[in-house]
Amino acid sequence: DGGITQSPKYLFRKEGQNVTLSCEQNLNHDAMYWYRQDPGQGLRLIYYSQIVNDFQKGDIAEGYSVSREKKESFPLTVTSAQKNPTAFYLCASSPGGGSEQYFGPGTRLTVT
Amino acid sequence: AQKVTQAQTEISVVEKEDVTLDCVYETRDTTYYLFWYKQPPSGELVFLIRRNSFDEQNEISGRYSWNFQKSTSSFNFTITASQVVDSAVYFCALSEVGFQKLVFGTGTRLLVSP
Repeated sequence: DGGITQSPKYLFRKEGQNVTLSCEQNLNHDAMYWYRQDPGQGLRLIYYSQIVNDFQKGDIAEGYSVSREKKESFPLTVTSAQKNPTAFYLCASSPGGGSEQYFGPGTRLTVT
Repeated sequence: AQKVTQAQTEISVVEKEDVTLDCVYETRDTTYYLFWYKQPPSGELVFLIRRNSFDEQNEISGRYSWNFQKSTSSFNFTITASQVVDSAVYFCALSEVGFQKLVFGTGTRLLVSP
């Protein structure tokens, strides 16, 4: 089945620790994205990548880092510099050119 | 700058009622795309529709219909004969052509009770 997988679904970490969220797609899409969603709010773009080995900052990139070494994978690292990391994180992919984005099931990160 | 406004934070209806979710957008571009997504309680966003700025035809898909009016910068979504399974958060979004970032509204939570 084609789609986007994110793992794990729930993640718990202690403050001060870096944590990496996984995102894999087998849709052969060029573009991939990471969004953050806080309760009662819309989605905010963290990083996006239009091609392998290239990525751009979104609206709230501070405290996050990404890599795009393979077309299928776009992992997100939430660093200890992120002041308020507890949130729901959604990964998406798109063929590009204004096409719709397809979303994974999300990872709910809790940092205490 | 682009902006999407969904003024209705939450709507409650009884099953079989019709309901309209409002979406108003701002952009300086003449060419752009508009989207609607559904987010059920599971959390995953489900794509519903994409509309480009040159196509103002209304669209109907089963119980869903969309009304795009450039004159009022609106892209409203109507569910006819709502069902409990329609309960979800619905997001409207906007992107520029050739620029792949999506700008989302804050969403409208729809609660359909039996």
